Parts: sequence; C-alpha cells; structure tokens
Amino acid sequence: NAGVTQTPKFQVLKTGQSMTLQCAQDMNHEYMSWYRQDPGMGLRLIHYSVGAGITDQGEVPNGYNVSRSTTEDFPLRLLSAAPSQTSVYFCASSYGQGNQPQHFGDGTRLSIL
Amino acid sequence: SQQGEEDPQALSIQEGENATMNCSYKTSINNLQWYRQNSGRGLVHLILIRSNEREKHSGRLRVTLDTSKKSSSLLITASRAADTASYFCATVPVSNTNAGKSTFGDGTTLTVKP
Repeated sequence: NAGVTQTPKFQVLKTGQSMTLQCAQDMNHEYMSWYRQDPGMGLRLIHYSVGAGITDQGEVPNGYNVSRSTTEDFPLRLLSAAPSQTSVYFCASSYGQGNQPQHFGDGTRLSIL
Repeated sequence: SQQGEEDPQALSIQEGENATMNCSYKTSINNLQWYRQNSGRGLVHLILIRSNEREKHSGRLRVTLDTSKKSSSLLITASRAADTASYFCATVPVSNTNAGKSTFGDGTTLTVKP
C-alpha cells in the first residue's frame, strides 16, 4: 500500500500566487488532517476532516482552504501565498475516532518568496 | 499554545546507552501518542497509551504516563545509531475524541553516536 501520498514534494512560489497541495490516502481512513511544521517546532493543525463533505478548522486555518469530496483525497489550497506560509506541510489520516494512530505523508516543502 | 512540551529539546548519547525523553501537557487527555520523525520524512507512530494505562512496552520502547502530573516519558533502551531522529508526543484531549485534532509538542532531537 502507498499509504499517504503528498504532491508535490517541493514548491517555490511568489508572494500572491495560489496553489493546491495534494494529499491522497489508500487506507479508507475517515479522518484526514493538514499540519504545518516550522523549523525546530512541532506540528500545528491547519484543517481537518472527519469524512467526505465534512471539514473543520484547526489551530492555524487563516490563508488556507480545504475540501473533502472523496474519502481518498484532501487537498489544501493556499489562496494568496505569503512569506509567513513558508513551511513544511504534512497530511495525515487515521481510522476511526480517538484511540487510533495517524499515518503521515512525507510532506511538501513550500517556500514563498 | 502547544498542549505537549517535550524535554529535553536535544539529547546526544552513545550507542548502547538508554535515552529518556519527557512530555508534559496541560489539559486532561483521552490518550497520548509518541511519534518519530527522521530527517526530511513524515512522522511515524510509535506507541499509544490510554489515560487509564500507566505503562506500555513495545520492543525497546517503554512509555509511562502519570495523569496526576500530566506527564509522560519515552525510554529507548540499548539505543542504536538508527534511533537518531526527532521524537514528538501528541495528545488527544478528553473534550475531543477525533484523532485528527491531536496537539503536538515541539519535539526532542535525539542523536545516537556510533
């Protein structure tokens, strides 16, 4: 199984550009999340989804949009990129509620110039 | 603010020694999980301990949980160079059983010297 797949692995944008980070999982997990990780820090939750058609905001949602039209895919959209959004973005999925481990992709390294 | 905080921020040991890292959190939790992150990779789940458990083992890993002190520790015994990584604790609060709303600490960077 591929697990959680994120594309692209690297991206450089100019301030004001928009783009979509892709995330797909093949484990039929209901729960999917997007995190950002800044240097030397842990992960901060951007948005999450508990199933197709259902999304909610995390700790740092401003400047990002998500949608969940299928169980497998959970894209993250940057509406108008800003240098403060330079970070490594991780997508994760999990099965069921509460006491289940999250499975992570290898991340997208995004630089905003 | 982050729910979990790891201590120490960095730890350097020799191969064969034990490594202990700690996690403190602020609110009552449903469970606590430990993850490992190798450089340039995503996080990998190591072990989950529920709030009604005090100790859990998995291979060379031993995790303890003290809910009265709101703290957990991860012990890696007989460390190997391949254990070099960052280690994060993540908590799921009692108020939210959705694993997708885990809160991560800033991590402990472990270096194991051959």
